[in-house]
Amino acid sequence: NAGVTQTPKFRVLKTGQSMTLLCAQDMNHEYMYWYRQDPGMGLRLIHYSVGEGTTAKGEVPDGYNVSRLKKQNFLLGLESAAPSQTSVYFCASSFFRGTSLGEQYFGPGTRLTVT
Amino acid sequence: EDQVTQSPEALRLQEGESSSLNCSYTVSGLRGLFWYRQDPGKGPEFLFTLYSAGEEKEKERLKATLTKKESFLHITAPKPEDSATYLCAVQDKETSYDKVIFGPGTSLSVIP
Repeated sequence: NAGVTQTPKFRVLKTGQSMTLLCAQDMNHEYMYWYRQDPGMGLRLIHYSVGEGTTAKGEVPDGYNVSRLKKQNFLLGLESAAPSQTSVYFCASSFFRGTSLGEQYFGPGTRLTVT
Repeated sequence: EDQVTQSPEALRLQEGESSSLNCSYTVSGLRGLFWYRQDPGKGPEFLFTLYSAGEEKEKERLKATLTKKESFLHITAPKPEDSATYLCAVQDKETSYDKVIFGPGTSLSVIP
């Protein structure tokens, strides 16, 4: 099993450009998440999905859109990139154990720089 | 508002020198507390889940404990390969199942 994979690994964008980050998981997990990680701030949830065809906003959703057309894929889009979106982006997935969803499996991350 | 803080921000240990990392949390009711390990340039890796005060979990040189307001990650006789950032996260009973709040992490360096 590959687990959670993310593409691309690195990307540099100019302000105003758009891009899509792709996340794929092969563990048949229902739940998928997109986080951003900035120094000293911890992981912050951008958007998440509780199943195919569903998405919801997290803590910092502005400037991002997501789609989950297939259970195994979760896409994160930036329509008009801004320097404030320079960050490391992580995708994660989890299954519901009946008690919590804190056991999440993370991808290797995408390092995005917006100039 | 749910909040997670971790201390110290960074910790440097000699190989074999045991110590503890702290995670303090504020939630209405705890559904679960989670510890993760994150190596440089990689995604976090799940370590433990703790559900109630008094619970303990162990894995190799790591032991996680939980009280009503904080959790400790005890590292016994650490080795250089234990060097990583350790993240704590909590899930509040009063919020949806989907919301997990992460702390900023403690960066651990173990010197040979």
